[in-house]
Amino acid sequence: DGGITQSPKYLFRKEGQNVTLSCEQNLNHDAMYWYRQDPGQGLRLIYYSQIVNDFQKGDIAEGYSVSREKKESFPLTVTSAQKNPTAFYLCASSTPFGEKLFFGSGTQLSVL
Amino acid sequence: AQKITQTQPGMFVQEKEAVTLDCTYDTSDPSYGLFWYKQPSSGEMIFLIYQGSYDQQNATEGRYSLNFQKARKSANLVISASQLGDSAMYFCAMREGRSGYSTLTFGKGTMLLVSP
Repeated sequence: DGGITQSPKYLFRKEGQNVTLSCEQNLNHDAMYWYRQDPGQGLRLIYYSQIVNDFQKGDIAEGYSVSREKKESFPLTVTSAQKNPTAFYLCASSTPFGEKLFFGSGTQLSVL
Repeated sequence: AQKITQTQPGMFVQEKEAVTLDCTYDTSDPSYGLFWYKQPSSGEMIFLIYQGSYDQQNATEGRYSLNFQKARKSANLVISASQLGDSAMYFCAMREGRSGYSTLTFGKGTMLLVSP
């Protein structure tokens, strides 16, 4: 079945450590997105990519980095510069002129 | 100013009754799209319904309908005949412009609890 796979489901980060969240899709979608969700809040856009080897900052990109070397993959790195990384992270994809985003099941990141 | 406002942090409804979840939006772009997503406790975001700014009719998808009032800039979600499985967070979202890629802005959500 086609879909978006995020891993791991739970992730723990130590102080000063970089961690990478994986997002893979087999929907053949061009565009991919990363959103952050804090408790009781809506989703906020971190980064998005419309094509391979290209990506743009969203509303809260500071402390995060991404790469888009393959169409299927859009990993997100939470760097040590992100001082409040504890949140639920959702990856999504869409087709050009698509009417909706398709979401993965999310990764919960916590700080030890 | 918030682009998407959901004023109901929580709503309660009895099984089999209808419920309306409120959403107002703010944009100066004449071309936009409005979305509703459901987020159960598992965390995944499930697409429910879409309304384009130029659509003449209100969108419907099964038990879900979108009450689109363009002049009031509101896009309320109506769930008919509520079921226990409808208990979840519900998010309203908007895409502005004619961009081919859906960069959505989300509201803060409404928690819906359906009781037997």
